[in-house]
Amino acid sequence: EAGVAQSPRYKIIEKRQSVAFWCNPISGHATLYWYQQILGQGPKLLIQFQNNGVVDDSQLPKDRFSAERLKGVDSTLKIQPAKLEDSAVYLCASSLGGGVRTDTQYFGPGTRLTVL
Amino acid sequence: AQSVTQLDSQVPVFEEAPVELRCNYSSSVSVYLFWYVQYPNQGLQLLLKYLSGSTLVKGINGFEAEFNKSQTSFHLRKPSVHISDTAEYFCAVSSGTYKYIFGTGTRLKVLA
Repeated sequence: EAGVAQSPRYKIIEKRQSVAFWCNPISGHATLYWYQQILGQGPKLLIQFQNNGVVDDSQLPKDRFSAERLKGVDSTLKIQPAKLEDSAVYLCASSLGGGVRTDTQYFGPGTRLTVL
Repeated sequence: AQSVTQLDSQVPVFEEAPVELRCNYSSSVSVYLFWYVQYPNQGLQLLLKYLSGSTLVKGINGFEAEFNKSQTSFHLRKPSVHISDTAEYFCAVSSGTYKYIFGTGTRLKVLA
């Protein structure tokens, strides 16, 4: 079974530029998560989708971050404009979605973003 | 509100020695507890989880964890570590808010 795919793996941009990340979850997984992992910290949930609807985006900085999951499959996360403090690894995860609180999440390898 | 505390940021241990990685949580409601491992340049992978039932949970790669409700802890243990266990370990909690909260991680360094 193919795992969670993410691209690109690495991205370097200058502040005030925009950037987009792509995630393709495991086939059949209804729930998709985007996390931000700053160096030395644990992953922080940015947004959670159930199929193509948003379940939780309470920690998403909506003035600059946006995400969509069209057709309930793959997803994109965008930052516009980027700030220095956005430098982090962006992790995508998916789960079956049958029991969100108890679900095992399957993580992709992440995209390492450096903002100069 | 719920939170997770991993008390040790780094734990060095010699190969074949036992190890315990500590995790404490706080929550006003029933919780589900998880341990994930992150190898260098990889995503997180589930080691084990506690949902209900037996408080001793066995996971992959010889790891186990014990849920202690009175001490609000979920410490991870392995009786004999290998070089290949060198990685970062994250404790996580979820509850009725549908949200996973991850700890800050413990970097396990296994020494030859």
